[in-house]
Amino acid sequence: GQNIDQPTEMTATEGAIVQINCTYQTSGFNGLFWYQQHAGEAPTFLSYNVLDGLEEKGRFSSFLSRSKGYSYLLLKELQMKDSASYLCAVRDGDYKLSFGAGTTVTVRA
Amino acid sequence: GAVVSQHPSWVICKSGTSVKIECRSLDFQATTMFWYRQFPKQSLMLMATSNEGSKATYEQGVEKDKFLINHASLTLSTLTVTSAHPEDSSFYICSARDPLAGDSYEQYFGPGTRLTVT
Repeated sequence: GQNIDQPTEMTATEGAIVQINCTYQTSGFNGLFWYQQHAGEAPTFLSYNVLDGLEEKGRFSSFLSRSKGYSYLLLKELQMKDSASYLCAVRDGDYKLSFGAGTTVTVRA
Repeated sequence: GAVVSQHPSWVICKSGTSVKIECRSLDFQATTMFWYRQFPKQSLMLMATSNEGSKATYEQGVEKDKFLINHASLTLSTLTVTSAHPEDSSFYICSARDPLAGDSYEQYFGPGTRLTVT
């Protein structure tokens, strides 16, 4: 099985940077994903890491260290619309995703 | 990007009745679809893996006789909640994997179905 931990809540100011950490213990690893989910909606894909290092995609970046079982999602130049839940998910060899409990990010003006 | 639809978007039913939820991949063929359940303020929990032409694989603790899954074609999987009870009220989300898209591609999620059992 998978054990995935991420903080419950984070608050930041508009224009700031926030880093959401995710640690995992897995029985199989085939990639780590970050999703954004607004209340009552389905998750939307943000990023994918399978090798160690940083993946940058506009205002969002994601980092992975497989040896440490650690990833983070970096949100830069925060906007009010970034207020949402951010889900860390680990994929196993059968393409099944296990999700963390999610981190609720609140962006304040 | 790939599109996955779900129908209905929301449904209210009486306790004891059955409800069917459809998940369709609109522009690709999905040999594998996944069904998740999400309770308020909780994360997505995988219920089962739906494989076209074969039986679904259920996660531990999910009753296969209560949550019937049928994946009759490469673009359609259905989840039937049988004899629904109020505790089955939840947000049900399906996802589909495009086997031709390569390993770097994520699963594509449907918009979800809000089920309320009264």
